[in-house]
Amino acid sequence: EPEVTQTPSHQVTQMGQEVILRCVPISNHLYFYWYRQILGQKVEFLVSFYNNEISEKSEIFDDQFSVERPDGSNFTLKIRSTKLEDSAMYFCASSQDSTLPQLTNSPLHFGNGTRLTVT
Amino acid sequence: GIQVEQSPPDLILQEGANSTLRCNFSDSVNNLQWFHQNPWGQLINLFYIPSGTKQNGRLSATTVATERYSLLYISSSQTTDSGVYFCAVERYSGGGADGLTFGKGTHLIIQP
Repeated sequence: EPEVTQTPSHQVTQMGQEVILRCVPISNHLYFYWYRQILGQKVEFLVSFYNNEISEKSEIFDDQFSVERPDGSNFTLKIRSTKLEDSAMYFCASSQDSTLPQLTNSPLHFGNGTRLTVT
Repeated sequence: GIQVEQSPPDLILQEGANSTLRCNFSDSVNNLQWFHQNPWGQLINLFYIPSGTKQNGRLSATTVATERYSLLYISSSQTTDSGVYFCAVERYSGGGADGLTFGKGTHLIIQP
């Protein structure tokens, strides 16, 4: 079964450094997302991406964050200047099978996450 | 934004028991999904169920959209069912793919 893959599984960085989290969504999906989960808390939406542009973003997704789809398979999240409070598990997800009718909603499929620790 | 309340927050059961997890939401939604986060942190999609009833093996779910709640049923629990169960909802704004709003989850422990 196709799956969302994320790299690295763990990332440790110093405060103020830039990090790039990488994701390969399911190949025939149209929508891509980033979510984060601070340890022991609920999952929070960051951003959605469709047709090579941001579709929606939350209040968390401020100017230090950016997303990019540099080629036909990768989807990245960049944090420009990391802060201690950015420490969390970051999940990539994808949905909406392009082979299905466009009005058909489809389940969200998550990757295994990247655990980011900012020291 | 939409509020999602899940109950109970914690549940400890013996293997073989049945359980019902509840999700209440504060506004009408177009999208409701249930997820299982296993002890390794992986988020597994269980059901996409904005309305109606679905079953998958020992798990089933029912969403009553008009009354703004959903229920997840787990029958004959196994230790591998342990983890956190999240309900997540979305109300489409018409502008594109909005994000899911998650509840705080139900932490389920199945004891052998």
